[in-house]
Amino acid sequence: NAGVTQTPKFQVLKTGQSMTLQCAQDMNHEYMSWYRQDPGMGLRLIHYSVGAGITDQGEVPNGYNVSRSTTEDFPLRLLSAAPSQTSVYFCASSRVLNTEAFFGQGTRLTVV
Amino acid sequence: AQSVSQHNHHVILSEAASLELGCNYSYGGTVNLFWYVQYPGQHLQLLLKYFSGDPLVKGIKGFEAEFIKSKFSFNLRKPSVQWSDTAEYFCAVRPNYGGSQGNLIFGKGTKLSVKP
Repeated sequence: NAGVTQTPKFQVLKTGQSMTLQCAQDMNHEYMSWYRQDPGMGLRLIHYSVGAGITDQGEVPNGYNVSRSTTEDFPLRLLSAAPSQTSVYFCASSRVLNTEAFFGQGTRLTVV
Repeated sequence: AQSVSQHNHHVILSEAASLELGCNYSYGGTVNLFWYVQYPGQHLQLLLKYFSGDPLVKGIKGFEAEFIKSKFSFNLRKPSVQWSDTAEYFCAVRPNYGGSQGNLIFGKGTKLSVKP
């Protein structure tokens, strides 16, 4: 059972570089989301999607883009990395109503 | 905006001590409630959840939580902690808007350190 798969697990970027964090789920979940986790801040929602072709902003969307061309995949793009984006990123998926979210293993990103 | 408050940033207990972690939320309507645990270096795993029915919910590894609607609270309890319970615990709330649901809102987390 793969569940939610995130790649890469670790990444170091230079300021100004761009990259894409990958997230895939094999549970046919409609809802997918991206969170960032910072010490003492809990998890904050970056972007989310309620189905293929539909995305929306969360609490901290600036500097990030997402797309949802298929039910399975929900990549997160950093357009021009900044040190403030150093964080651990988690992707999650769930059915739309009344179920828990399943989380990926996380991506630890360092921007230098 | 809805928010979730976890009262303790860091709790230190000895093995066999009892645990209670507080969680309060601000949304006045129907909610789904969750506690997640994150062991060092790992992803979030579900401990327990509440959608409806009995407000006392039992989860994995001997954890339980009680939903008190009048207090907007969903406190996590365990009668006797073990060293292996050392982790960070997150309370999360999902508001329900009459047929659709909002996003999962997390508290800032409580680090639990259990001394052997």
